[in-house]
Amino acid sequence: DAGVIQSPRHEVTEMGQEVTLRCKPISGHNSLFWYRQTMMRGLELLIYFNNNVPIDDSGMPEDRFSAKMPNASFSTLKIQPSEPRDSAVYFCASRRGADGTEAFFGQGTRLTVV
Amino acid sequence: DQQVKQNSPSLSVQEGRISILNCDYTNSMFDYFLWYKKYPAEGPTFLISISSIKDKNEDGRFTVFLNKSAKHLSLHIVPSQPGDSAVYFCAASERQNTGKLIFGQGTTLQVKP
Repeated sequence: DAGVIQSPRHEVTEMGQEVTLRCKPISGHNSLFWYRQTMMRGLELLIYFNNNVPIDDSGMPEDRFSAKMPNASFSTLKIQPSEPRDSAVYFCASRRGADGTEAFFGQGTRLTVV
Repeated sequence: DQQVKQNSPSLSVQEGRISILNCDYTNSMFDYFLWYKKYPAEGPTFLISISSIKDKNEDGRFTVFLNKSAKHLSLHIVPSQPGDSAVYFCAASERQNTGKLIFGQGTTLQVKP
């Protein structure tokens, strides 16, 4: 299995532009998480899906952020419009079920908004 | 509101000695706890876990201890090796509830040769 696949690995964009981050979870996993890594908060949970349904989006910073999971093999995290303070590494992780054990992470997308 | 807290941003130990990383949590609904290790430019990788029905779990050089009454867990690495130098994240999950997985801020461990 290829593991969790995120794209792009790096994204540099100008303030005000729309940014879309993509994630392909491990086949057979039906829980998916989006995290943002910051120095202050570590791995901050943004949103959590189970069986393609958002269970908890309380960590989404504001309305500029949105996430979708149209099917079991694909999810997107969109920022519109982007701001310099959104610059961070964004991780996607998947797990086998809501009562599963460990989650597996992708390699992350490093986003820089200038 | 940080439900999982790692109050030590960094730790430095000598090769061969014990490394102890600490983690505190506030949510009594958490019933499963995990430690992850992260190298630069890579995603976190799972290291070891423990269910709330246990107080200790051991895997080779790594042991996790859970003190439910204190809402505290720790990771012991014995003996520490230079290759253990990484950021360690503590995480907690409500397996019997929502399944949400919450991480702490991380502790950077440096093992000196």
